[in-house]
Amino acid sequence: GESVGLHLPTLSVQEGDNSIINCAYSNSASDYFIWYKQESGKGPQFIIDIRSNMDKRQGQRVTVLLNKTVKHLSLQIAATQPGDSAVYFCAENSNTGNQFYFGTGTSLTVIP
Amino acid sequence: GAVVSQHPSRVICKSGTSVKIECRSLDFQATTMFWYRQFPKQSLMLMATSNEGSKATYEQGVEKDKFLINHASLTLSTLTVTSAHPEDSSFYICSAGPPGQGREQYFGPGTRLTVT
Repeated sequence: GESVGLHLPTLSVQEGDNSIINCAYSNSASDYFIWYKQESGKGPQFIIDIRSNMDKRQGQRVTVLLNKTVKHLSLQIAATQPGDSAVYFCAENSNTGNQFYFGTGTSLTVIP
Repeated sequence: GAVVSQHPSRVICKSGTSVKIECRSLDFQATTMFWYRQFPKQSLMLMATSNEGSKATYEQGVEKDKFLINHASLTLSTLTVTSAHPEDSSFYICSAGPPGQGREQYFGPGTRLTVT
């Protein structure tokens, strides 16, 4: 597999501040990426996706940036809320199939 | 949106026994489903691709004789952990995607397996 079972890095932010979560992916052939949010004891929940022909995509309060040169993704959450506290994963996919490989993940804690 | 369910949500079994986990796509048919394993405070690790009507494809390092996958119908895949040991205790998650809607995957709620 392409993901590594490392312990999760953590990020703490004040409520109302913006959050930036980073992810490095490993396969240069990957051309589709999804950010997922996972709350404790639950399955991953889709947040936003981006294809490799784009550098940036915006959703509601979230923006994903893709830098293919250095194989890096970031997720920006505007005006972070307590409900945003969760673990965030980036997942990569190449057009050889629908399987996704997950990054290490980041645990986000929002301080009220 | 597409819904994927898993059953059971939690299971405890004794070491040496086998346990079956079900993954269902509730409102769409899925010729392919995926099984992941997640240890505490770690990422999701892809275990295998479940293919309806044919053998599953396992990721490198995953024992196919230990983790039996059966994709019996277009809405059901099962993962059987055979001769379970405490180190198999983990969170098992499946995913599937509606055909014709791109490569997005919808995830089940996961199954917490504890082997005593």
